[in-house]
Amino acid sequence: DIVMTQTPLSSPVTLGQPASISCRSSQSLVHSDGNTYLSWLQQRPGQPPRLLIYKISNRFSGVPDRFSGSGAGTDFTLKISRVEAEDVGVYYCTQATQFPLTFGGGTKVEIK
Amino acid sequence: QVQLVESGGGVVQPGGSLRLSCAASGFTFSSYGMHWVRQAPGKGLEWVAFIRYDGSNKYYADSVKGRFTISRDNSKNTLYLQMNSLRAEDTAVYYCAKDHIVANLDYWGQGTLVTVSS
Repeated sequence: DIVMTQTPLSSPVTLGQPASISCRSSQSLVHSDGNTYLSWLQQRPGQPPRLLIYKISNRFSGVPDRFSGSGAGTDFTLKISRVEAEDVGVYYCTQATQFPLTFGGGTKVEIK
Repeated sequence: QVQLVESGGGVVQPGGSLRLSCAASGFTFSSYGMHWVRQAPGKGLEWVAFIRYDGSNKYYADSVKGRFTISRDNSKNTLYLQMNSLRAEDTAVYYCAKDHIVANLDYWGQGTLVTVSS
């Protein structure tokens, strides 16, 4: 199974300041079809997860442009350019390059 | 708009069975694969199972293989998860999630809580 490792575990951020979350996979996420199926999910308190970013850097419908994804191979990053109060929650990276799908342990974004 | 509504959760004794349902609307259900993902209380996400759009292929996490069965009824726009031989460690909120060829797990339901306890 592909292991997904996220850092940091927790990220206290001042409103309006940037935040960055790293995700590393135990093996390359490049699929045989050439795509890299790395996504980022947001889970606000008491809510189900919500898709933010797919295929490394593509924002899903309705996702604000302050969210961006980057990376390649085994190293990926989610950035929030200016954190807003509604961004509080836990963020997960996930891979769908091979079964079983696996998730990172999550990064909690909170306001300082 | 896409809606996924899970039901069927509850309290069950160890060794018991439960069947979860996920009613889908707002998209052509028969064209998309579907997942079950679970989240134990206070913990992270764990993928459980996937079924292709036509039910032709199914995949399971090792932790549930041989005990859980994913299925679907495209005529009823409904996804199922039959859970047998339940254990305490199966206690979790179970989410159904829609698949997409490039944007996997693009829509999620609100979840249904399964508690395995004597």
